[in-house]
Amino acid sequence: GAVVSQHPSRVICKSGTSVKIECRSLDFQATTMFWYRQFPKQSLMLMATSNEGSKATYEQGVEKDKFLINHASLTLSTLTVTSAHPEDSSFYICSARDPWAGGPGETQYFGPGTRLLVL
Amino acid sequence: AQTVTQSQPEMSVQEAETVTLSCTYDTSESDYYLFWYKQPPSRQMILVIRQEAYKQQNATENRFSVNFQKAAKSFSLKISDSQLGDAAMYFCAYEWDSGYALNFGKGTSLLVTP
Repeated sequence: GAVVSQHPSRVICKSGTSVKIECRSLDFQATTMFWYRQFPKQSLMLMATSNEGSKATYEQGVEKDKFLINHASLTLSTLTVTSAHPEDSSFYICSARDPWAGGPGETQYFGPGTRLLVL
Repeated sequence: AQTVTQSQPEMSVQEAETVTLSCTYDTSESDYYLFWYKQPPSRQMILVIRQEAYKQQNATENRFSVNFQKAAKSFSLKISDSQLGDAAMYFCAYEWDSGYALNFGKGTSLLVTP
């Protein structure tokens, strides 16, 4: 099946620094990617929808200036957490949709996630 | 807005037994898609089963089956012959269209005891 990778798998950074997380579709081109955040023992919460070549659409309550999303190519989307603070510590998951996989309801392919710890 | 509700934070089942996880959802759409995802300790999301709302027949995947009640907006997951490897968080999810993200329930933690 289709594979989505994320890098890094885990990262520790100091408060006030920025961290970039990459999400790649390895064997397909993804016109749409999604970024989720998951706090411990909680569900996945959608942060933003990323469409190749256009600005991301952020969910209500998500600061677009803090969580910068760039979908510069059909195989890569990046999430940059700017001026990270301890409350940004979380598990970040991306998913990608293969437009050739079928119609609505076809599987979104999830990355393995990135664990961010801000000290 | 669509909401997905999982009313069982935790469930326990003995190995080889059957367990049912509940999920209800709210939507005004007539065509949509429902999913059950498994998230083991590795936290990789794994698709367990998918159901198209326009199909009356309940989806099945080996030991996993669903009871889809469209009028009641209910979508439960039945796991038969439970195995130790089934222990994980299970999330029910709703999707309206391919341009939209999945809307997840809060999850049910499934414990499988020997």
